[in-house]
Amino acid sequence: KAGVTQTPRYLIKTRGQQVTLSCSPISGHRSVSWYQQTPGQGLQFLFEYFSETQRNKGNFPGRFSGRQFSNSRSEMNVSTLELGDSALYLCASSLALTGGSYGYTFGSGTRLTVV
Amino acid sequence: AQKVTQAQTEISVVEKEDVTLDCVYETRDTTYYLFWYKQPPSGELVFLIRRNSFDEQNEISGRYSWNFQKSTSSFNFTITASQVVDSAVYFCALFSGSARQLTFGSGTQLTVLP
Repeated sequence: KAGVTQTPRYLIKTRGQQVTLSCSPISGHRSVSWYQQTPGQGLQFLFEYFSETQRNKGNFPGRFSGRQFSNSRSEMNVSTLELGDSALYLCASSLALTGGSYGYTFGSGTRLTVV
Repeated sequence: AQKVTQAQTEISVVEKEDVTLDCVYETRDTTYYLFWYKQPPSGELVFLIRRNSFDEQNEISGRYSWNFQKSTSSFNFTITASQVVDSAVYFCALFSGSARQLTFGSGTQLTVLP
């Protein structure tokens, strides 16, 4: 079966712009989580969506937001981009909300560069 | 609070050597899950293993083996007879019911030289 699909793979944006990243989970998976990976901070949890509702949120400013659609696809939006937002954004899908017991499958990520 | 520590930042070995990656975790939960992921240069996190806190049975899968010890809060990963294709960054991660998210260690860059 198809894995987790993230688009686009690469993005270059200018400071102050906004960006939208997309994640399609594995078919049948209802939970989508987002993580940011930077050399300085490592892998950090952004938020998790389940049944179109944000269920958990990490310690990121309100410029980072997301949503989930009825087909479980998720989008993540970052407004007013800053240089520090340059990172690899990874999406993970899981069968249910308690992802620890089911495991997480990650996509290949979107590499965002802010100039 | 949850915390995962991977003290080894970089390890370099010659092909066919055995290598162990260390992971120490902290959590107050009694039920939790531990993971190992591999991240090749392409960026995708590849799942290797999941263990729950009630299953301390160690596991061997081909060249990979895992040693889970609750007494020392460690979940170490060993590659036997390493190969060049094993070169990647390896992450240990913790999931607990109270945090409801994966908490990752800082990763260990493994380089296997031919």
